[in-house]
Amino acid sequence: ETGVTQSPTHLIKTRGQQVTLRCSSQSGHNTVSWYQQALGQGPQFIFQYYREEENGRGNFPPRFSGLQFPNYSSELNVNALELDDSALYLCASSLGSGQGSYGYTFGSGTRLTVV
Amino acid sequence: ILNVEQSPQSLHVQEGDSTNFTCSFPSSNFYALHWYRWETAKSPEALFVMTLNGDEKKKGRISATLNTKEGYSYLYIKGSQPEDSATYLCALVGNTDKLIFGTGTRLQVFP
Repeated sequence: ETGVTQSPTHLIKTRGQQVTLRCSSQSGHNTVSWYQQALGQGPQFIFQYYREEENGRGNFPPRFSGLQFPNYSSELNVNALELDDSALYLCASSLGSGQGSYGYTFGSGTRLTVV
Repeated sequence: ILNVEQSPQSLHVQEGDSTNFTCSFPSSNFYALHWYRWETAKSPEALFVMTLNGDEKKKGRISATLNTKEGYSYLYIKGSQPEDSATYLCALVGNTDKLIFGTGTRLQVFP
């Protein structure tokens, strides 16, 4: 059991740039979700991928996009970065369609700072 | 729209004290409720998954209850230890298994 790994751990980008964050799922998990945690808030759901297809999306604009690969690892891409995108981005893997019957396994996050 | 509130926002207790905090929600329209412990610079770690009204879970000194009719869940820590210091997050599982989080309760246990 390897857990969830996210990379990079920290990142500084300039407004208007694009960024790609990466996540490798826990072995055996087929679902990946991404969350954004801004300062002073709880994590907010961005989107979820199940077997390489988007399976639900939160209230985030289209410049937030993602991918899930055949090995169930995932990427979060953000285009045209804005200052408000500065946050901790968390990835979580789970066994899909379990209606929350299983706890999710989280990575330790990528801290993105947009200047 | 599910809205999850946690209280208190932060808590400072002495080692050995017992403590509890609350997760409240206005509706029972969800599949499950999760509690996570999040230590600084680490990953959120699943503590409990609760699925039924009246559900009660226990892990060592930590236990949780769920009352969907009244719209709350309690997390109890008996005999707090410094290693219990963390942020405790409550999350409801909504459509498509997405987690709807509260803002968390930050617990600090002083020796």
